[in-house]
Amino acid sequence: AQRVTQPEKLLSVFKGAPVELKCNYSYSGSPELFWYVQYSRQRLQLLLRHISRESIKGFTADLNKGETSFHLKKPFAQEEDSAMYYCALSGTYNYGQNFVFGPGTRLSVLP
Amino acid sequence: GAGVSQSPRYKVAKRGQDVALRCDPISGHVSLFWYQQALGQGPEFLTYFQNEAQLDKSGLPSDRFFAERPEGSVSTLKIQRTQQEDSAVYLCASSFNLKQETQYFGPGTRLLVL
Repeated sequence: AQRVTQPEKLLSVFKGAPVELKCNYSYSGSPELFWYVQYSRQRLQLLLRHISRESIKGFTADLNKGETSFHLKKPFAQEEDSAMYYCALSGTYNYGQNFVFGPGTRLSVLP
Repeated sequence: GAGVSQSPRYKVAKRGQDVALRCDPISGHVSLFWYQQALGQGPEFLTYFQNEAQLDKSGLPSDRFFAERPEGSVSTLKIQRTQQEDSAVYLCASSFNLKQETQYFGPGTRLLVL
């Protein structure tokens, strides 16, 4: 079954420190991986997707098919990065399309 | 331009009551998705449409849940005979097309069943 895990419910780092939010997935096939972010009192929005290989707000994520991971990284965290982060997977199965979100990690960047 | 909108933003229902949740997607977006997000959890897929066709409803938790998009734009998620376990935030998202496209989310409808 398709599954996305994010082992940390809460991650606290100091401003300027590196940050890594972990994401692992299980899927038989070639999924599309995404990171979505939800800032306080805002709606869920796309941060980045692996197929575009972009760096958004200093964040990057590399898809490691061997380890089935898609960890989100930023070398120097900023206070405005504090938010809820969700890793998500999109893939085809049978006749349909499957969208699976992880449980989320709350990132708190301390001053 | 306008984003995805949902109404009502909050709904309190008595157990056993029927509710209808509305989603207005971004104009021109072909695909529309419904998710259920329980407290402290990530969104869980319920169903999606491509235009007016409901292509996958495998995530609907029971036959009390029904979704429609009759003209390929506005969608309604209906929950019959609500139960306390239906309490959650219901998110709607739309995308320009289906395959691995960015989804744009609405603000959600927070449903509380007493």
